[in-house]
Amino acid sequence: SQKIEQNSEALNIQEGKTATLTCNYTNYSPAYLQWYRQDPGRGPVFLLLIRENEKEKRKERLKVTFDTTLKQSLFHITASQPADSATYLCALGLNTGFQKLVFGTGTRLLVSP
Amino acid sequence: DAGVIQSPRHEVTEMGQEVTLRCKPISGHDYLFWYRQTMMRGLELLIYFNNNVPIDDSGMPEDRFSAKMPNASFSTLKIQPSEPRDSAVYFCASSPGAGGLYNEQFFGPGTRLTVL
Repeated sequence: SQKIEQNSEALNIQEGKTATLTCNYTNYSPAYLQWYRQDPGRGPVFLLLIRENEKEKRKERLKVTFDTTLKQSLFHITASQPADSATYLCALGLNTGFQKLVFGTGTRLLVSP
Repeated sequence: DAGVIQSPRHEVTEMGQEVTLRCKPISGHDYLFWYRQTMMRGLELLIYFNNNVPIDDSGMPEDRFSAKMPNASFSTLKIQPSEPRDSAVYFCASSPGAGGLYNEQFFGPGTRLTVL
């Protein structure tokens, strides 16, 4: 069956450390992958996109890797801050010719001062 | 731009009642999506439109759910009759057409639906 797995347990880290979140998928062949941030009571907000032929993407303190052999994406936040505390969702972009995304259930990140 | 607008923000209704959720996408966006989010199942795509035409409604759970997009600036998601298991947060999102596959989606604030 098709699955997208993100760690359901919250990730607790100290301010200043690097947070690493994992997204694993099974029986999908995504053309690209997106990461979103969701704060309580709000809709998801887009952060980064990485295509299947790209290994790594960076944006300020954010870095995403995409390994189509391992069927895994890693999302890193360097020099984390309490304001980074939120739920992070990965979304697979399916190669259907349209803009359909399939979302993981998300990982909650808590950054302590 | 005001972003994607959804109304109402909260809806509490009784089982069997009709519920209508509303969405105004970002002006100029060609794609509109309806999602449902629950703790158990996460964020699920229900249906999406391209240029007001429904493209994929395979995520609509059953015939009680219907969605329309009468024009480029308005869409509705209707549940009739509603059931307690429909309780969830419903999000509307829009996306520009330019850029092909790789566009980000812009989400509204969601409607929290509670069916008693």
